[in-house]
Amino acid sequence: DAGITQSPRYKITETGRQVTLMCHQTWSHSYMFWYRQDLGHGLRLIYYSAAADITDKGEVPDGYVVSRSKTENFPLTLESATRSQTSVYFCASSPKPIDYEQYFGPGTRLTVT
Amino acid sequence: KNQVEQSPQSLIILEGKNCTLQCNYTVSPFSNLRWYKQDTGRGPVSLTIMTFSENTKSNGRYTATLDADTKQSSLHITASQLSDSASYICVVSGTGTASKLTFGTGTRLQVTL
Repeated sequence: DAGITQSPRYKITETGRQVTLMCHQTWSHSYMFWYRQDLGHGLRLIYYSAAADITDKGEVPDGYVVSRSKTENFPLTLESATRSQTSVYFCASSPKPIDYEQYFGPGTRLTVT
Repeated sequence: KNQVEQSPQSLIILEGKNCTLQCNYTVSPFSNLRWYKQDTGRGPVSLTIMTFSENTKSNGRYTATLDADTKQSSLHITASQLSDSASYICVVSGTGTASKLTFGTGTRLQVTL
């Protein structure tokens, strides 16, 4: 009973490289979210998805791409990583829209050098 | 602009003591307010969710209060334990055009012997 998992947990990459962060949930929740967490900021929403093949931008979407071909997976891709994208990324899922309780994954710490 | 401000930024208390964390918000119209606990290196975990009509909610040794008129909430921790050492994040959800989550930057609590 894994719930919601993220991989990798830690990643170091170089500026300009493409990076994909994976998120998998076993609850069949309709809604999935990607956040980034930086010192001095609260969690900020990057993208969210209401169902397979339905995605929408959040507060800070620039430089990121998402897809959701299956309900349980919601990968986040940094097409050309920049140092400003160094952060901790959290995936979350929920059975209902954004104002309902969300369940967070363990996070991926990404460093862009 | 919707904002959530938490105080203090950090707090150190002795094991067994009580403490209270504060959250002020400007989100309007208001849907609900939630408190999350985030252990170091892990994702946030929900402690309580309160709607407009609720002014107190407990979860074990955690008691949250909400004053929707003054837009203030507090999280009271009773008889603290070492395992309470974590960041506590206040999150407010709006409705309608404000239907999104606004995260506070958290209060870092350290419980010591």
